[in-house]
Amino acid sequence: GENVEQHPSTLSVQEGDSAVIKCTYSDSASNYFPWYKQELGKRPQLIIDIRSNVGEKKDQRIAVTLNKTAKHFSLHITETQPEDSAVYFCAAPGEGADGLTFGKGTHLIIQP
Amino acid sequence: SAVISQKPSRDICQRGTSLTIQCQVDSQVTMMFWYRQQPGQSLTLIATANQGSEATYESGFVIDKFPISRPNLTFSTLTVSNMSPEDSSIYLCSVSQQYNTEAFFGQGTRLTVV
Repeated sequence: GENVEQHPSTLSVQEGDSAVIKCTYSDSASNYFPWYKQELGKRPQLIIDIRSNVGEKKDQRIAVTLNKTAKHFSLHITETQPEDSAVYFCAAPGEGADGLTFGKGTHLIIQP
Repeated sequence: SAVISQKPSRDICQRGTSLTIQCQVDSQVTMMFWYRQQPGQSLTLIATANQGSEATYESGFVIDKFPISRPNLTFSTLTVSNMSPEDSSIYLCSVSQQYNTEAFFGQGTRLTVV
C-alpha cells in the first residue's frame, strides 16, 4: 500500500521564523495531498491541501509545494506564531483504499 | 463542513469485553471511515464504512475484532471486541463527501482497557 514518510519528527523554531515540513509518498498514482494540524487533545483539522495538477498552493502564511516527479510535498509556514505550535500530519490516499495514509507527524514548537 | 458527534468521548473497559462507538453526522455524507490513533502516534485507517454492505478493512484489521455498521448516510458504529490492553487508543470517525476531498474528524473516543 501507500507509504508516507514525514520529516522531521520534531521542529523547534523561533517565533517569526519559517518552518518547513517534508513528506514523501510511494504511490505515483496519488493525486491528493492534505495537511492536518492537531492540537493537544483535539481532533485533526485540515489546514491546506493540494492536488497533483498544481505545483504550489498558498493560504496566507501557509503554503504547500508538490513535486510529482520526486514524489514529495512540503508544508511551509512563514512568520510563525505561538498558536502554530501543534502536531502536523501529511497524508496521501491509501493505495486501493478510499481513506488516507498519514505520515508519522511533526511536533512543531514555536519558541517565544 | 460536516458536524460530527462521536460517543462516548472516553471509556475505561475491562479486558474481554466489547465497546461500541457511535458516529453521527449532521448531514448525509458519501464516505465514512474509522481510524485509530495510539497515544503520541499517527492515525491509522481501520476501515471504510460502506452503507448497506460490509466494511472494507485495511491490512491488520479484521471484521471479527472491529465489526462496523453503517445503516444510512449519517450514522456508523465501530465495535472493539474482546478487548485487551493493546486496544487502548483513540478511535476517530472521519467523513468526506467525495474521494480526494477534505476529510472531517469526530472528536475521538479515548479507550482505556484495564
